[in-house]
Amino acid sequence: DTGVSQNPRHKITKRGQNVTFRCDPISEHNRLYWYRQTLGQGPEFLTYFQNEAQLEKSRLLSDRFSAERPKGSFSTLEIQRTEQGDSAMYLCASSLFGQDGETQYFGPGTRLLVL
Amino acid sequence: AQSVTQLGSHVSVSEGALVLLRCNYSSSVPPYLFWYVQYPNQGLQLLLKYTTGATLVKGINGFEAEFKKSETSFHLTKPSAHMSDAAEYFCAVSATGANSKLTFGKGITLSVRP
Repeated sequence: DTGVSQNPRHKITKRGQNVTFRCDPISEHNRLYWYRQTLGQGPEFLTYFQNEAQLEKSRLLSDRFSAERPKGSFSTLEIQRTEQGDSAMYLCASSLFGQDGETQYFGPGTRLLVL
Repeated sequence: AQSVTQLGSHVSVSEGALVLLRCNYSSSVPPYLFWYVQYPNQGLQLLLKYTTGATLVKGINGFEAEFKKSETSFHLTKPSAHMSDAAEYFCAVSATGANSKLTFGKGITLSVRP
């Protein structure tokens, strides 16, 4: 079990640029979640996939955000035309649907700073 | 809809003292409840969880929590604090059934004094 991995760990970008983050879940997990965490707050749900299907998107996920999980394995989260308010830690988690109380295992996160 | 309330943003205890971090939840369906710990610049690590069965659950590093349905609470305790327990702690709730997204509280920072 190699755990959930995320790349890059840190990203600094200028306002208006596009950024893409990658998440590799635990290999046998069929669910994958994205959360956003701002300073001093708990993580907030953004979206989740079961296999390759995106089943729910939060209202927090504006149309500048898009997430994919094309083959039901890794996932990417893209932010277009970044704004300073997008600065946050982006967390990915995975779980096995119907097992283990749906326990989600988190990656180390990608910290985004928009200048 | 679900929500989690963690009262207070910061708790400070002496090394060896009891740790008590409070969590109250609101859920329209039977919940699953979790405590996660986060060390600086890291992701979240699962401490313990309640799904069904025994209401007193034990986790890693000597932590435990008790699910009290009548009080809608899931407080986290540890009999004796250690310096390495200093971190941020998050309580989270998810619904049983198909949608298992987590709703987190704002978190509590635990400091441990020597």
